[in-house]
Amino acid sequence: DQQVKQNSPSLSVQEGRISILNCDYTNSMFDYFLWYKKYPAEGPTFLISISSIKDKNEDGRFTVFLNKSAKHLSLHIVPSQPGDSAVYFCAASADDKIIFGKGTRLHILP
Amino acid sequence: DVKVTQSSRYLVKRTGEKVFLECVQDMDHENMFWYRQDPGLGLRLIYFSYDVKMKEKGDIPEGYSVSREKKERFSLILESASTNQTSMYLCASSVTLRGIRDTQYFGPGTRLTVL
Repeated sequence: DQQVKQNSPSLSVQEGRISILNCDYTNSMFDYFLWYKKYPAEGPTFLISISSIKDKNEDGRFTVFLNKSAKHLSLHIVPSQPGDSAVYFCAASADDKIIFGKGTRLHILP
Repeated sequence: DVKVTQSSRYLVKRTGEKVFLECVQDMDHENMFWYRQDPGLGLRLIYFSYDVKMKEKGDIPEGYSVSREKKERFSLILESASTNQTSMYLCASSVTLRGIRDTQYFGPGTRLTVL
């Protein structure tokens, strides 16, 4: 039973355009959400997070949107750059639980 | 700059061997975590620890144990390695302000192959 779903295993986006990565969750107890980025042969690195009391958080080119009623969050990257090519993991957490999605591989095309 | 190091990048072991994976963090973080990453399954939490000598089971603790004798070091132990434990193992640490919700800092990973 997947509590955190990233339904797109991969996504290709033209350089300079917007990349939108999606994540759905099923457990309404989750109240803090994070996005991590992972390059091959490296550990994941934290990108951006959002608390359930907010619906948007922005950090430079990265914006995370949270729709609690739909149990959906998305990560927007604009403009997309070649260095953004990586696997992106969505994570949802509650008091003593953190669940990661399966990841979405983002390819930025020249 | 937070640094999380793992003792080996690549490890090959035989079925039935006892395997130790070591993780050290240098930022005095309270929390440490062990995950495994498998294709199509993402990151799955094996065990985590909030403090020295404390441990909590994650989602897939079966076949694993952990040890946290010092704050900076968190070891993952495979008592009797099996082929289905072939995986990428990732260690992480975080400060304690929000516990498991905190930003986690990951090590580079250990790719373990069990033959």
